[in-house]
Amino acid sequence: GIQVEQSPPDLILQEGANSTLRCNFSDSVNNLQWFHQNPWGQLINLFYIPSGTKQNGRLSATTVATERYSLLYISSSQTTDSGVYFCAVGDSGGSNYKLTFGKGTLLTVNP
Amino acid sequence: DAGVTQSPTHLIKTRGQHVTLRCSPISGHKSVSWYQQVLGQGPQFIFQYYEKEERGRGNFPDRFSARQFPNYSSELNVNALLLGDSALYLCASSSWTSGSTDTQYFGPGTRLTVL
Repeated sequence: GIQVEQSPPDLILQEGANSTLRCNFSDSVNNLQWFHQNPWGQLINLFYIPSGTKQNGRLSATTVATERYSLLYISSSQTTDSGVYFCAVGDSGGSNYKLTFGKGTLLTVNP
Repeated sequence: DAGVTQSPTHLIKTRGQHVTLRCSPISGHKSVSWYQQVLGQGPQFIFQYYEKEERGRGNFPDRFSARQFPNYSSELNVNALLLGDSALYLCASSSWTSGSTDTQYFGPGTRLTVL
């Protein structure tokens, strides 16, 4: 099956710093989502981005499907940005639809 | 509109017991998927149901089963619980139809502890 690798596994920042999280995947995909998992376990949708670039406030994401990677940018980080960020790729084979997740990046933003 | 809801929030069971977890999708969504997340890992796909039919199954033993009801809500059942079944169980809904892709929205999860 498709492999998803996220880097770095851990990241510690001071409030106000910028960061880039990377997601590499091993095969062609027709869906890619970024999630933020809060301390209570809720997976919050950040972006649905199978290709191209999107921005939402301090967050933006870029997926280069032909080169099999996606980047999540966090600018002017805040303590509330802390948590685990997951990249998940979707493989819709026509008969079913599942997401394959990476292991995540644990982000800690210190005040 | 309400998001994806799951019940119960937390559950403690002993080895060998059976458990049923429940999920209600976002109104209008006909696809429900189940994922298991063990500590320190990303969620792993267990099942997808669409229009009350199983459309996909991950690499999980037959002790895991699920079904989807006419109102598109879903149950995940796990028999003969093992310590290794302790995890956060997540339900996701989407407006997926065959051959398409779409955003999946996740519920808050059920945290299962097996003692």
